[in-house]
Order: sequence, then structure tokens, then C-alpha cells
Amino acid sequence: DAGVTQSPTHLIKTRGQHVTLRCSPISGHKSVSWYQQVLGQGPQFIFQYYEKEERGRGNFPDRFSARQFPNYSSELNVNALLLGDSALYLCASRGRVGATDTQYFGPGTRLTVL
Amino acid sequence: GNSVTQMEGPVTLSEEAFLTINCTYTATGYPSLFWYVQYPGEGLQLLLKATKADDKGSNKGFEATYRKETTSFHLEKGSVQVSDSAVYFCALSDQTGANNLFFGTGTRLTVIP
Repeated sequence: DAGVTQSPTHLIKTRGQHVTLRCSPISGHKSVSWYQQVLGQGPQFIFQYYEKEERGRGNFPDRFSARQFPNYSSELNVNALLLGDSALYLCASRGRVGATDTQYFGPGTRLTVL
Repeated sequence: GNSVTQMEGPVTLSEEAFLTINCTYTATGYPSLFWYVQYPGEGLQLLLKATKADDKGSNKGFEATYRKETTSFHLEKGSVQVSDSAVYFCALSDQTGANNLFFGTGTRLTVIP
């Protein structure tokens, strides 16, 4: 079975540009979460979507937005890129959203902002 | 609030040595606790989890016990291998509606032959 997939693998942008990252969850999973992992740090929660509705938002500026589609895939959008947005962006999916439910992570998209 | 504190790395061990990576947490309520591993160039993989006090999670020779009285979830392995070289993250899942993961800063383990 396919795991969580993300595209693109790598991306290079310049300051001020906009970026869209994509994620496809494990088949049957209805929840997608996005995390930002800055080099040398642990991942930080950005958004969670469940059944196409936003269920949680981390402490990130409004330049960050996301959505979930009817097939449960998701996009993360970042506007007006800053150098500090350079990071590995991870997508995680799970079947349910209880505290005990395991989140399964994709390989990530490495974003470099120049 | 929720937070996870991990033992600072990096950690370098010889093959077959005993491994302990300390993890303590602060949380409201009764979180679930996880250890994730990140191999070079890859995403996060779940290593083990425990969902209530005194539970022991185990996988691939790794173990961790959920200790509510000391708010700890230390990772142990009796005999490490070169293939265990990776970054290990302790995490908790909060009790809010979103049940998101809060991660520690990670501990890099290098095992030398």
C-alpha cells in the first residue's frame, strides 16, 4: 500500500514569492496535518484538516494557508516567502483524530528560500 | 501548555552498547506519547507509542515506558546497531480537538562499528 506522498521533493524560491505544496494521504485516511521542520529542530504543527474542515491551526502567520479536497488530498500555501520559511515541510495523515491515533508522515518537501 | 524536553545530542555509541535517550514532558490532561525516528534524507517514522500511564511501547528492540509520576518517556535499547544511526524525536499528542503532535528537538544518534 502507498504511504503518504508529497510533491515536489525539493523547491527553491526567492523572497516574496508564493509556493504551493501538495500531499496525498494514505488511502482511507481522512485527516491531514502539516508540520514545519527547521534544520536542527523538531517539527512544529501548522494545520490540521479532517473531512475537509480545518480542525486546528498552529502559531503561524496568515501567510500560511491550507485546504483539503474531496479526495482528502491537501495543499499548503505560503505567500510572501521569507528566508525563515526555509524548512522541510511534512505532511501526516491518520484515519481518525483521537489523541491515541498514530500520524503517518510523508517524506517531506524541502523548501529553500533565497 | 504542552512541551517536550529531550536529552541534548549528539550521542555517539559503539555497536552493541546500551542506549538511553531521556525525554520528559509537560502537558495538561493525559497525553499519548510517541517516539519517532528520522533516518538521513527521509521523513519521520513511528518507532513506538504508549497511550496511558505505565504502558510500555516496544519495537525493533527499542522500549519506552510512560511514567506519569516523573512525566517521562525515556527510550532504551539494549544493544544498538550501526543501522540505528538516525535522529530520534520524542513527541506527545495533546488532548484538544485537533490532537496535534508536540515534538522535542531531536537527538542525533551515531553508532560506530
